[in-house]
Amino acid sequence: GQNIDQPTEMTATEGAIVQINCTYQTSGFNGLFWYQQHAGEAPTFLSYNVLDGLEEKGRFSSFLSRSKGYSYLLLKELKMKDSASYLCAVKLRWGSQGNLIFGKGTKLSVKP
Amino acid sequence: DGGITQSPKYLFRKEGQNVTLSCEQNLNHDAMYWYRQDPGQGLRLIYYSQIVNDFQKGDIAEGYSVSREKKESFPLTVTSAQKNPTAFYLCASSFRSGTGRSYEQYFGPGTRLTVT
Repeated sequence: GQNIDQPTEMTATEGAIVQINCTYQTSGFNGLFWYQQHAGEAPTFLSYNVLDGLEEKGRFSSFLSRSKGYSYLLLKELKMKDSASYLCAVKLRWGSQGNLIFGKGTKLSVKP
Repeated sequence: DGGITQSPKYLFRKEGQNVTLSCEQNLNHDAMYWYRQDPGQGLRLIYYSQIVNDFQKGDIAEGYSVSREKKESFPLTVTSAQKNPTAFYLCASSFRSGTGRSYEQYFGPGTRLTVT
């Protein structure tokens, strides 16, 4: 079966840095996505990694190690509005659309 | 503005009734998807469609049906056969893989369905 693990909840302080980890064991791999979802709203795309290494996009960075089945999302200079759930999702195969497997999400609470 | 719309945002139905959830996109995306989200669970794929007049079952298709008669529209019907229909339903769309364009999925605002 397919398995994606993320911590259920995390708490951090405004202005700090937080790292949200994601490990995966899947039957295939064609990239890993991170999404942000505020309560009751739609997920919004944050990042996509298909090769090993770090992708930086403003305050957010995402890292991938395919050999370890591991990714993390790094959020810097945390703001209160970063309080949300962060979803890790793996795309299983190239060329096929219906195979994005989501983790259960990590609920991040940012405190003053 | 381009985007995905879902209507209504909240929907209430009696058990035993079929209900259809709307999803429309004007992003010129080829592929569309329906997910279900329950508390403490990840998003689970119900159905997806890569092109008009074609769709595939996802992981939890039982009790649901879809149609894809137009590129812009992908309605989902929750039938009375779905045992636990109360959930948050999300529609998404993307470009197809292999077209040279980024294919992250864009999500609509969701429909929260309550069946009593």
